[in-house]
Amino acid sequence: KAGVTQTPRYLIKTRGQQVTLSCSPISGHRSVSWYQQTPGQGLQFLFEYFSETQRNKGNFPGRFSGRQFSNSRSEMNVSTLELGDSALYLCASSLHRNNEQFFGPGTRLTVL
Amino acid sequence: AQSVAQPEDQVNVAEGNPLTVKCTYSVSGNPYLFWYVQYPNRGLQFLLKYITGDNLVKGSYGFEAEFNKSQTSFHLKKPSALVSDSALYFCAVRAFNNNDMRFGAGTRLTVKP
Repeated sequence: KAGVTQTPRYLIKTRGQQVTLSCSPISGHRSVSWYQQTPGQGLQFLFEYFSETQRNKGNFPGRFSGRQFSNSRSEMNVSTLELGDSALYLCASSLHRNNEQFFGPGTRLTVL
Repeated sequence: AQSVAQPEDQVNVAEGNPLTVKCTYSVSGNPYLFWYVQYPNRGLQFLLKYITGDNLVKGSYGFEAEFNKSQTSFHLKKPSALVSDSALYFCAVRAFNNNDMRFGAGTRLTVKP
C-alpha cells in the first residue's frame, strides 16, 4: 500500500499570501489529521477530519482551515500568511479515529 | 484536556547499552498511548501503542514500552541501543473517543559508537 502523500513538499511564499496544502491518506483510511511542527513549539495539532467532517480543531487562528473530500483526501489552507507560519506541516491518516496514525513526509512552508 | 511530558530534551547512550526515553501523561479516562520516531527530514514513523491489555508493549525495531497507570508513565525502552536508533522520539496520548492527539516536545536520542 502506498503511504500518506503530501504535496507540495516545499513551498516558499511571502507574507500576506495564501497557501493550500494537499494530503492523500493511505487507501481505506478515513481519518486525516494535520499538525504543525516547529523547532520552538514542537508538534501542534491543527485539526482532524473524519468522513468529510471536522471532528476536532486545535488552538489556531481562523486563518487556518481545512476540508476533506469524499475520497478522504484532505486540504488545508492558510490565508494571510505570517512569518510565524513557517513550519513543517504534517498530515497523518488512520483507519479509524482511535487507531495509530501514519504520517506523510510533510510540506515545508517558508514565509518570507 | 490531555497532555504529555517528555522530561528530557536529550538522551545520550553508548551503543550496546540499554536505553530509556521517558514519557508521562495526563488524560481524563483511559489513555491511548503512542510512540513515534522521526528521522532527519522525514515524517513521523509509528513505533508502538498501548490501548489496553498487557502493560508491556512490544513494537518495531526492538523497542518496547511499559504502561504504568499509577505513575501515569509510558517509558520507551530498548535492551541494546544501535547507532541507527539516533533520532527524535515523540510520545503521544489520546483520550478514549477523542481524536485530538497530543504530542510531547520530543526527546533527541543520540547513540554513540
